[in-house]
Amino acid sequence: GENVEQHPSTLSVQEGDSAVIKCTYSDSASNYFPWYKQELGKGPQLIIDIRSNVGEKKDQRIAVTLNKTAKHFSLHITETQPEDSAVYFCAASRASNDYKLSFGAGTTVTVRA
Amino acid sequence: DAGVIQSPRHEVTEMGQEVTLRCKPISGHDYLFWYRQTMMRGLELLIYFNNNVPIDDSGMPEDRFSAKMPNASFSTLKIQPSEPRDSAVYFCASSGGPRGEQFFGPGTRLTVL
Repeated sequence: GENVEQHPSTLSVQEGDSAVIKCTYSDSASNYFPWYKQELGKGPQLIIDIRSNVGEKKDQRIAVTLNKTAKHFSLHITETQPEDSAVYFCAASRASNDYKLSFGAGTTVTVRA
Repeated sequence: DAGVIQSPRHEVTEMGQEVTLRCKPISGHDYLFWYRQTMMRGLELLIYFNNNVPIDDSGMPEDRFSAKMPNASFSTLKIQPSEPRDSAVYFCASSGGPRGEQFFGPGTRLTVL
């Protein structure tokens, strides 16, 4: 099955700086890579996703890059704000077959004011 | 839409008791997923349904766990008998449409004493 590794496990950044989270996956057939943000006491919320037919996608301060050859993808948050503090999860799946997601272990991001 | 609805939000029970967790997916979604989240194991997929039919239950830890989806708007996850190691947050998620994004409910925090 798919194995997704996520780094770092914790990340502390100064407000206004950028944050980068990296994930690697094992199954070369995976072609859908979502990122979720989980705030304390809440369920994960989809913030951005990318499919294998593109290498980069951006939505305001959030961007995701994908390198299919190396089997890794990254989340970039620019101009971080205190409300960006949360746990972020990457995931991978074969969206062409089903919607079963394999999640990374999560990154706890703390934005220091 | 109200999003994915889960009940109860918190459940405290004693070892050996039966526990039933409930989920109402987003209207029109044809995939429903049950996840378990713990500090040690992260987010684990337990089982998922497509059009009310169980597709993959390979993540169900043991026979004490069972899940049903009697109709498109309701699913249950039952643990009988419950054990302290079942303590976790259980999430339900649903998905539909061509993009396949999964939308999570707020979760049920289960504590088995």
